[in-house]
Amino acid sequence: LAKTTQPISMDSYEGQEVNITCSHNNIATNDYITWYQQFPSQGPRFIIQGYKTKVTNEVASLFIPADRKSSTLSLPRVSLSDTAVYYCLVGDKANAGKSTFGDGTTLTVKP
Amino acid sequence: NAGVTQTPKFRVLKTGQSMTLLCAQDMNHEYMYWYRQDPGMGLRLIHYSVGEGTTAKGEVPDGYNVSRLKKQNFLLGLESAAPSQTSVYFCASRLRARLAAPYEQYFGPGTRLTVT
Repeated sequence: LAKTTQPISMDSYEGQEVNITCSHNNIATNDYITWYQQFPSQGPRFIIQGYKTKVTNEVASLFIPADRKSSTLSLPRVSLSDTAVYYCLVGDKANAGKSTFGDGTTLTVKP
Repeated sequence: NAGVTQTPKFRVLKTGQSMTLLCAQDMNHEYMYWYRQDPGMGLRLIHYSVGEGTTAKGEVPDGYNVSRLKKQNFLLGLESAAPSQTSVYFCASRLRARLAAPYEQYFGPGTRLTVT
C-alpha cells in the first residue's frame, strides 16, 4: 500500500487560497490520488480525484507533478465552512480494498 | 435516493455482548466497506465486499465478521464486544471502477458505539 504523509494541521483566513500537500513516494503505476473532506460527526465526502497533471472541479483543484510522488489540493478563497479534516488517499481503481486513509490534515479557517 | 444509511446511530454495549450493525445503500453499488474511526484518527478499513456473497479482510479485521447476502446490504457483526472496539463505525459504497470515471466512495452518517 502506498503510504501517504500530510501535515497534521493548517490555519488559514477567510478568502485566502489554501494548499495542502500530500506525499506518496511509493505510488504505483495504477494508483489514483483522491481527496476527501470530513466534518465532525459526519462521514467523509469526496472532493476530487486525479492521476496526473491538473484536475479542477467546482470546489477544488488537484495538482500532480510528473513524478507523481506528491500532490497538492488547492482550495480557492476558503470560508469558515471549509474548516474540516482533509484526507489524501492513494489507491488502485480496480483494487477495492487497497487504498487507505491516513490521519488527515485538520484545516482551521479563521474570520 | 437515501444514499448510504446505517442502523443504529448510537449503541452502548457491555463487554462480551454481541451486536450487528446494518448498512444499506440504494445506489446499486457493487463495492461496500466498513471502517472504524477512533477519536482524532483517520479511518481504518475493517472489511470490504466487491459483490453479493463475497467479503474480504481489511487492515483491522480481528473481532469483526461481515456478511453481504444482498447487494444493497452489508452487515458488520461483533461477536463478543471489547472496550477496544469503542469507536465510530462508517459504512461506504462505490461503483466498480469505470474507465475514465472517478471511483468515489459514498459514506453513511456513522454509528457511534461504546463498549463498557
